Amino acid sequence: DGGITQSPKYLFRKEGQNVTLSCEQNLNHDAMYWYRQDPGQGLRLIYYSQIVNDFQKGDIAEGYSVSREKKESFPLTVTSAQKNPTAFYLCASSLAGGEEQYFGPGTRLTVT
Amino acid sequence: QKEVEQDPGPLSVPEGAIVSLNCTYSNSAFQYFMWYRQYSRKGPELLMYTYSSGNKEDGRFTAQVDKSSKYISLFIRDSQPSDSATYLCAMSGGNAGNMLTFGGGTRLMVKP
Repeated sequence: DGGITQSPKYLFRKEGQNVTLSCEQNLNHDAMYWYRQDPGQGLRLIYYSQIVNDFQKGDIAEGYSVSREKKESFPLTVTSAQKNPTAFYLCASSLAGGEEQYFGPGTRLTVT
Repeated sequence: QKEVEQDPGPLSVPEGAIVSLNCTYSNSAFQYFMWYRQYSRKGPELLMYTYSSGNKEDGRFTAQVDKSSKYISLFIRDSQPSDSATYLCAMSGGNAGNMLTFGGGTRLMVKP
């Protein structure tokens, strides 16, 4: 089955800890994206990567970091510097230059 | 003012009704328009994709774009309880390139 997987589905962390969210795709897409979704709000772009070993900040990159060492993988680290990390995190991918983005199932992060 | 506006709802309709979901936008450079369906606690699923103005039909769903009014619509015919979800519009083009700008989503409830 081709698709995007995110793990874990639910994640709980204490304040002050860094946490890494996994995103893997087997669609052979070049571009990958991380979004954050808060209740009643649309998706806000955190980081994106159009090609391996390259990535750019989105609208709300502060307190987050990413890496893109493999085409299939785009992990997101939520650092202790992120002021309000509790949210639903969504990973997406697309063909290079493509507008159609396909999303994973999401990871719900709760920080207490 | 947000770049893409969408009534959050909830919109409650009886089963079998025709549903109209809408978005307005301010960036006249947008050329690609998408509708995503998101079930509770799941990732968004791409429903419809339209380029420029006009209509596109897929089964019970029709997407309509009016670039002159900066207004897009999604119509759902013969609505079913399984259509109950949040519907997100997204668009791209112009200076934004292929990066998507999302509306906040409209929550739809179809009652049996």
